[in-house]
Amino acid sequence: GQQVMQIPQYQHVQEGEDFTTYCNSSTTLSNIQWYKQRPGGHPVFLIQLVKSGEVKKQKRLTFQFGEAKKNSSLHITATQTTDVGTYFCAGARSNDYKLSFGAGTTVTVRA
Amino acid sequence: EAGVAQSPRYKIIEKRQSVAFWCNPISGHATLYWYQQILGQGPKLLIQFQNNGVVDDSQLPKDRFSAERLKGVDSTLKIQPAKLEDSAVYLCASSKTSDSYNEQFFGPGTRLTVL
Repeated sequence: GQQVMQIPQYQHVQEGEDFTTYCNSSTTLSNIQWYKQRPGGHPVFLIQLVKSGEVKKQKRLTFQFGEAKKNSSLHITATQTTDVGTYFCAGARSNDYKLSFGAGTTVTVRA
Repeated sequence: EAGVAQSPRYKIIEKRQSVAFWCNPISGHATLYWYQQILGQGPKLLIQFQNNGVVDDSQLPKDRFSAERLKGVDSTLKIQPAKLEDSAVYLCASSKTSDSYNEQFFGPGTRLTVL
């Protein structure tokens, strides 16, 4: 089964609004990666988080790794139509370092 | 830099038939992954190669799926015989090394429909 759980599964956002998607694991993770898959496309790497409490920003996207390294979040501000797609987190367990993908959060944007 | 190449892009077969997919990773990438992505789900790892050796095939249904990477470069994934539940996108990805800290580069995928 899925090692990491993502919520929500779907996010419908009004253009210009902010939203957050979450990634949760029952076990401690060594690192977590985020990928974006546009409709009909393939996953593309966005960022990696390694340190406890780490925060990284990419323009309007803010990524955070929890203090216990069991959860992560992606916050998008001022959503644009270019943000449409499915965002996956992929976490590696500390005991075996195998990366496992979550089910993703699919984002649609209302203009 | 050329990306990960996959072929074919689409394949439609009937159940119990066989099918093969091909992947050419990014030059110099030692690690190659095959994923199965069912509609609405995240990629599920089927098999991971480091050069021409298998690192992880724990989720590969070995009674019907096989994969090889004989020369440590390109790879083929075969399904024989196919079942209806094998309908999915098969993604190939590559990375420089096999540890989980490496960014994975995905190919465009092969969309398989089993009728």
